[in-house]
Amino acid sequence: DQQVKQNSPSLSVQEGRISILNCDYTNSMFDYFLWYKKYPAEGPTFLISISSIKDKNEDGRFTVFLNKSAKHLSLHIVPSQPGDSAVYFCAASSFYGGSQGNLIFGKGTKLSVKP
Amino acid sequence: NAGVTQTPKFRVLKTGQSMTLLCAQDMNHEYMYWYRQDPGMGLRLIHYSVGEGTTAKGEVPDGYNVSRLKKQNFLLGLESAAPSQTSVYFCASSYSDRDRNWRELFFGEGSRLTVL
Repeated sequence: DQQVKQNSPSLSVQEGRISILNCDYTNSMFDYFLWYKKYPAEGPTFLISISSIKDKNEDGRFTVFLNKSAKHLSLHIVPSQPGDSAVYFCAASSFYGGSQGNLIFGKGTKLSVKP
Repeated sequence: NAGVTQTPKFRVLKTGQSMTLLCAQDMNHEYMYWYRQDPGMGLRLIHYSVGEGTTAKGEVPDGYNVSRLKKQNFLLGLESAAPSQTSVYFCASSYSDRDRNWRELFFGEGSRLTVL
């Protein structure tokens, strides 16, 4: 059973508009959530993270929102740029007290930003 | 600063052959990981290491062995390759902060393995 779910395999957005990528999780023990971005033929690169003690974390054009009661998080990209076109992975783990980075990944959402 | 480097980048094996994937990191990170990614799937953890000389099983360890003889290197071995091990393999490393909690993973570029 999937513990981290990204139900939208793909998303297409116009340049300059907002991109919203969603992620749901089932394990209430998760307390740390990350978003990774992946271009073809490259490794995933870290984008932004949020711990369960927060409900929002912002870094430039990227904002992650966490709704613990709904076990849902979302990544907002504003404004979207063609260079943001990539596969975005949501990942979750227990940060404190150490599962030492055993991230559980979703299947990814492919974002296409049209010029 | 090369970060995380994986070799080889591509390899084709026949069923039953053995091989080793090498991961090297130059960031002095304590933790290292091997993940695999299959089409339509997220990344799944194979094995990981929390320090030199230590290894542990992840989510999908069967058919693989690992070794961490040096802090900067993490080797993934396939003793008898099977077609089900056709995948893209990613190595990653991370460090712990002053409270001994790990920080985000840094990934290599991946190694594409095909088993015929």
